[in-house]
Amino acid sequence: DAGVIQSPRHEVTEMGQEVTLRCKPISGHDYLFWYRQTMMRGLELLIYFNNNVPIDDSGMPEDRFSAKMPNASFSTLKIQPSEPRDSAVYFCASSLILGDEGIGNTIYFGEGSWLTVV
Amino acid sequence: GQNIDQPTEMTATEGAIVQINCTYQTSGFNGLFWYQQHAGEAPTFLSYNVLDGLEEKGRFSSFLSRSKGYSYLLLKELQMKDSASYLCAPEGYSGGYQKVTFGTGTKLQVIP
Repeated sequence: DAGVIQSPRHEVTEMGQEVTLRCKPISGHDYLFWYRQTMMRGLELLIYFNNNVPIDDSGMPEDRFSAKMPNASFSTLKIQPSEPRDSAVYFCASSLILGDEGIGNTIYFGEGSWLTVV
Repeated sequence: GQNIDQPTEMTATEGAIVQINCTYQTSGFNGLFWYQQHAGEAPTFLSYNVLDGLEEKGRFSSFLSRSKGYSYLLLKELQMKDSASYLCAPEGYSGGYQKVTFGTGTKLQVIP
């Protein structure tokens, strides 16, 4: 079974440009998470979806960031306009709720999108 | 809210035992994950504890004390390939939804 698939793997862009990161979760999974990882702040949860519906976007840093999940097999994270401080690794992850209220369901990560804004 | 504390770095010798501690304060706490992350790679699942006590899985064991908000990951018979970051991740449950928050991780260096 294919894992979580992210694209692009690496992107270098100029400040002010729009960046779109893409994710295909594991088939059948009903949770999708977007995380950002930096040396200073570690792995931060930006937003997560359940059955394509955004549940909690309190981790989205500001209005320049937006995320969508138009269907169960695709999600995007968009940064517009991008800034140098957005440089980080962006991970998409998914999980499947089973059993008693979904407790302890393993989150599977994609390989990450390495973003550099210059 | 979420508050997770674990050491930033640790060094241990090949063949030895190392314990990585984690304290947390998590709303609606359910259980706690440990993930391993090698440099330049994605985090991968190691263990999950929901009950108090020690869960053993080969060379790796994980302990949880719910009342103390404390967990540790124990790595035995260390190998060079165990050099990685280890992420403590408590799971909260609120309003019918699962939410997992990660600590900043402990970077473990295994030396010969």
